[in-house]
Order: sequence, then structure tokens, then C-alpha cells
Amino acid sequence: GDSVTQMEGPVTLSEEAFLTINCTYTATGYPSLFWYVQYPGEGLQLLLKATKADDKGSNKGFEATYRKETTSFHLEKGSVQVSDSAVYFCALGGGADGLTFGKGTHLIIQP
Amino acid sequence: GAGVSQTPSNKVTEKGKYVELRCDPISGHTALYWYRQSLGQGPEFLIYFQGTGAADDSGLPNDRFFAVRPEGSVSTLKIQRTERGDSAVYLCASSRMGTSGRGSQETQYFGPGTRLLVL
Repeated sequence: GDSVTQMEGPVTLSEEAFLTINCTYTATGYPSLFWYVQYPGEGLQLLLKATKADDKGSNKGFEATYRKETTSFHLEKGSVQVSDSAVYFCALGGGADGLTFGKGTHLIIQP
Repeated sequence: GAGVSQTPSNKVTEKGKYVELRCDPISGHTALYWYRQSLGQGPEFLIYFQGTGAADDSGLPNDRFFAVRPEGSVSTLKIQRTERGDSAVYLCASSRMGTSGRGSQETQYFGPGTRLLVL
């Protein structure tokens, strides 16, 4: 079945540091890939998505590129802010018509 | 505009009791999903509705769980004979349309969830 593996947290960085959160997936076919974010006390929100190989999703300074050859969708940001502190979920859209999520990565940005 | 809403926000019940969790999707969204999120885990898919029909209920853990969407809008997740292991956050999401097969491109919009605690 489909699965998503993302790096374990918590990840602690200083403000303005470069961020990478790794995400790899296992799926048959060519699912869409998503990053969702959950800020403290809030619900899940879509951060960005990519629907086919080599697509790059971007939003709020975050980027991720759909890499079919490495089955990856790593999340990156060049300069993080304290307000980026949240839990980040990598997910893929599969044949069951639901999303398959990773376990989430808790990101903590220190001033 | 209004997002996905869920009620109640918190529910505490005793083992063996029956509970109903409600989801109001975004107006006009034909696809509706239920997920369950345990502590420290990502959401797990339970069931998907396209309109009034359950197009995929493969994620429901057992026959104590049932969901309906009689008019193609509001949905209710029903849990009979609750067990302590049912304690989790139950999330609802909606999208403009669902998909069949692979490659779900539509964005799913999530509600705030119902936190269920079974004592």
C-alpha cells in the first residue's frame, strides 16, 4: 500500500536558518503530493502541492519538488522565522481517494 | 467564506457509550472525508463521500464505526460501543470534487477536529 516517511522531530533551528524536512513515499502510479501545516491551536492547512513529476510547489517561502526518480518531496525554506514553528505533514493523494499522511515533523524556531 | 466546521470540539464519553460527531463542509464541496489522528501520528483515512454515497469506506476500523451524509452536505460519524482505543482527534475535510483512481489533485480543506476521549 501507499506510505509516506518523513524525518522524525522535533527539529530545532535558529531564526534565519535554512530548513529541509525530508519526505519520501511509496506508491504505485503517480499520486499528487502535498505538504500540510498545523500551527499551534489551529487545524491542518495546505501549505503547497505538486501534481506531477518535476513540478515545484511553493508558498510562503517554502518549496518542494516532486522527484519521481527518488520518490521524494522534500520541503525547503531559505530563511525560517519564529512564526514557522508548527507541525508539518507530508501527504500523498492515492487511489483510495483519501490522503496518506506521514507522521509529521515538529519544527521549533528559536529567536 | 466559512470553512469546514465540526461539532462538538471536544467530547468525553464512557466506554461502551454511543457518540455522534458532526461535520459541516464548505458549501458546494461534493467530496467529504473523515480521518482519525492519534497522538503523535498523522491523520489516517476513514471514509470518503462523493455526494450522498460512501464511495470508499475502506479505512473504517470495524463495524462499530459508521458514517452518513443523507443530503450530500452535513455528515455524521457514528461510533457504537466506544472503546478507550477510539480516543483520538477526528478530522473532517471537504473538497470541490473527489477522484476515482490515482492522482487526487484537489485540495482538501480540513476542519478543526473533534477531540474524543473515551474513559
